Amino acid sequence: AQTVTQSQPEMSVQEAETVTLSCTYDTSESDYYLFWYKQPPSRQMILVIRQEAYKQQNATENRFSVNFQKAAKSFSLKISDSQLGDAAMYFCAYIQGAQKLVFGQGTRLTINP
Amino acid sequence: KAGVTQTPRYLIKTRGQQVTLSCSPISGHRSVSWYQQTPGQGLQFLFEYFSETQRNKGNFPGRFSGRQFSNSRSEMNVSTLELGDSALYLCASSLGSRERPTDTQYFGPGTRLTVL
Repeated sequence: AQTVTQSQPEMSVQEAETVTLSCTYDTSESDYYLFWYKQPPSRQMILVIRQEAYKQQNATENRFSVNFQKAAKSFSLKISDSQLGDAAMYFCAYIQGAQKLVFGQGTRLTINP
Repeated sequence: KAGVTQTPRYLIKTRGQQVTLSCSPISGHRSVSWYQQTPGQGLQFLFEYFSETQRNKGNFPGRFSGRQFSNSRSEMNVSTLELGDSALYLCASSLGSRERPTDTQYFGPGTRLTVL
């Protein structure tokens, strides 16, 4: 079964600094998608960024970028110029074939002013 | 374009009762998936509906069921509620298709269910 592991339960960063959240996954498939979602205190799950496994280029969305290492099964999220509004739980997720997202345990990110 | 909506946002029930949660997907989206989020188990997949048919199912007991209507709106039902069913229930929609079932999912705000 596919699994997703986030080894950092909590992270903190100073406002305007850069932080990287880690994620590893386990799969025997070659074609899949990876996502980062954020869940602020409102509990609304918000899509941050998506990466298709067949694409070698790392996805970027404004201040958010990923480092996708397919051979290592690693998918980290880098947040540049951290803002107070970035404070949230961040979930790494995997999907392949069916519409069934497999989530990691989450990383709670705190932004220090 | 309006996002995914879920009703009600909060529910309090007692053990043994049943509950129905509703989810309206983004306009044009035909796939609706349901997830349960608890502090202990994290986010777990319940089931997915596409074109009024259950296409995928997670590892939950038969007390959890769902359906989808012709307008893609979906309902989830939990019968004979147990204390352990207290959770945030999230619905997500995606374009989906029979040819390309995997697609980005967009989530609603969730329904917080408390079982006393």
